Amino acid sequence: NAGVMQNPRHLVRRRGQEARLRCSPMKGHSHVYWYRQLPEEGLKFMVYLQKENIIDESGMPKERFSAEFPKEGPSILRIQQVVRGDSAAYFCASSPTAQAGTFGNEKLFFGSGTQLSVL
Amino acid sequence: GIQVEQSPPDLILQEGANSTLRCNFSDSVNNLQWFHQNPWGQLINLFYIPSGTKQNGRLSATTVATERYSLLYISSSQTTDSGVYFCAVDHGNQFYFGTGTSLTVIP
Repeated sequence: NAGVMQNPRHLVRRRGQEARLRCSPMKGHSHVYWYRQLPEEGLKFMVYLQKENIIDESGMPKERFSAEFPKEGPSILRIQQVVRGDSAAYFCASSPTAQAGTFGNEKLFFGSGTQLSVL
Repeated sequence: GIQVEQSPPDLILQEGANSTLRCNFSDSVNNLQWFHQNPWGQLINLFYIPSGTKQNGRLSATTVATERYSLLYISSSQTTDSGVYFCAVDHGNQFYFGTGTSLTVIP
């Protein structure tokens, strides 16, 4: 059973370009979360998605950032017109289907992350 | 949102020593996990422990949910234990991470 797969592992972009980060959750997991980690800091929540739905995007910057989790295929975190401050490690995590009406009792599994460097 | 504080922020141990890492949180949580981020950046699940005590080899963890803290014990530390240890709590729609404890084990 493959774990959470993220690609690319490293991504280099010039200022103004677009960055697309991909995440395939573990088999049987329908919940995906994206986190950002700046150097020497902890992980900051960005967005929580289920298939075809954004459940919580309270951690996403209002501009240039978007995320999707289509019915088929991986989840995509898209950053338009990247700036140097976007340089960070972006981690994806997945968890199994939650019990109806609750969020508890889920266990997060993380991918290896994508290190984005903006030149 | 909920506040998650970890202590100590940094820890240096001689190989073979024991240590205790602490995670305090400011509100009730649905569950809690401990992670180890190795020097290559990978996040490894250590414990899923909303309450009680669990042990896995040289590591064990205890969560006292009513008092809003969790402890991670590392015994007979090894150099491969080096890295950053994070606790993450499930509150609302997301997991909140602490700022981590950076552990360095020296031979």
